[in-house]
Amino acid sequence: EAQVTQNPRYLITVTGKKLTVTCSQNMNHEYMSWYRQDPGLGLRQIYYSMNVEVTDKGDVPEGYKVSRKEKRNFPLILESPSPNQTSLYFCASSFRSPANTGELFFGEGSRLTVL
Amino acid sequence: GQSLEQPSEVTAVEGAIVQINCTYQTSGFYGLSWYQQHDGGAPTFLSYNALDGLEETGRFSSFLSRSDSYGYLLLQELQMKDSASYFCAPGGAGSYQLTFGKGTKLSVIP
Repeated sequence: EAQVTQNPRYLITVTGKKLTVTCSQNMNHEYMSWYRQDPGLGLRQIYYSMNVEVTDKGDVPEGYKVSRKEKRNFPLILESPSPNQTSLYFCASSFRSPANTGELFFGEGSRLTVL
Repeated sequence: GQSLEQPSEVTAVEGAIVQINCTYQTSGFYGLSWYQQHDGGAPTFLSYNALDGLEETGRFSSFLSRSDSYGYLLLQELQMKDSASYFCAPGGAGSYQLTFGKGTKLSVIP
């Protein structure tokens, strides 16, 4: 089954404790991206990757890191989480730039709470 | 710069028709996408318009006017399961991303 898989789905952590949210897709997509969703603010892009070893900042990259060592994986790293990073996070992928095709495939989401 | 506007909430009756409008300003505009998101769920792709006009997919249709920087999503024969948030997302050249609006929460009532 074609899918984007995120883990963990739910996480409660404390300020400053490094964490990684993994994302994996099995569709051989070149493009992958991370979004955060907060009430009243919609979906905001954190980072995206056009291909292996190619990543770039989205609209809200502060406090986050990413890497793309393999085509299928695009982990999101919070080196020192803070309470303002409490949010619902979505990983998404598409065959090529979604600006051209319009279609993104989203994971189920990871709800992160930072105390 | 970029801007994106869509209504925050819409309520409609089961069986009726509802239109959700979207106006945008996007550099090097390519096309406009629409996504549906149920509470607690992931956004799912509904449609993409790159050219002016109406695209129909079952009960859902999407319209684009590039000259007016305007689009809409039309939902016909509304069902209770259509209660969800709907996002328009324009894509721009060179940006490699879709810009999502804040979404329109559609409530379908009996």
